[in-house]
Amino acid sequence: QITLKESGPTLVEPTQTLTLTCTFSGFSLRSTGMGVGWIRQPPGKALEWLAVIFWDDDERYSPSLNSRLTITKDTSETQVVLRMTNMDPVDTATYYCAHIWFGSGFGYWGQGTLVTVSS
Amino acid sequence: DIQMTQSPSSLSASVGDRVTITCRASQGIRNDLGWYQQKPGKAPKRLIHAASSLQSGVPSRFSGSGSGTEFTLTISSLQPEDFATYYCLQHNSYPYTFGQGTKVEIK
Repeated sequence: QITLKESGPTLVEPTQTLTLTCTFSGFSLRSTGMGVGWIRQPPGKALEWLAVIFWDDDERYSPSLNSRLTITKDTSETQVVLRMTNMDPVDTATYYCAHIWFGSGFGYWGQGTLVTVSS
Repeated sequence: DIQMTQSPSSLSASVGDRVTITCRASQGIRNDLGWYQQKPGKAPKRLIHAASSLQSGVPSRFSGSGSGTEFTLTISSLQPEDFATYYCLQHNSYPYTFGQGTKVEIK
């Protein structure tokens, strides 16, 4: 059974760096084809893909946020970390991590975590 | 970037109605498309993968079709638990892109 859960701060100040952790079980990021991605959703708005990392360390980012994002695999290989620099109130959103098998899209999602950017 | 144009943005329907939602891709994406259902305060749930394959455990009243640039999600007989927002997602090329969503409301 694949499960994922996001963790991190619920409130960050403008210009700060957001660090979110996705802790997962039920699959290994050492296995061919496996990946974890991040998606966000501002209140009342649509879903937006942010980044993904695969078993072979391939990393991909949304071009509109590329300069602000970093996705990494934890050495334990049961966690994936997303960092977003220079946070702004428009980045207020629920952030989801999700499992992806290469070529198949996001099949399993975490519950999401709401991050508010405010001073 | 591949743009996913989803329509309609909202619709009102009654229990038992047949509902169709469409996503159009700005360029061909083969069948690299999924459909998701999202209820308020919950994470999206995938209903359809590979454009037309029903996710395990999803009721058979949901179906998907299409390939290339035109895709459809159909709910054959709308049930009370189906009132939600639906999204398509293309994962053919980066950046992955979602449609803008279709909110299905009770008439």
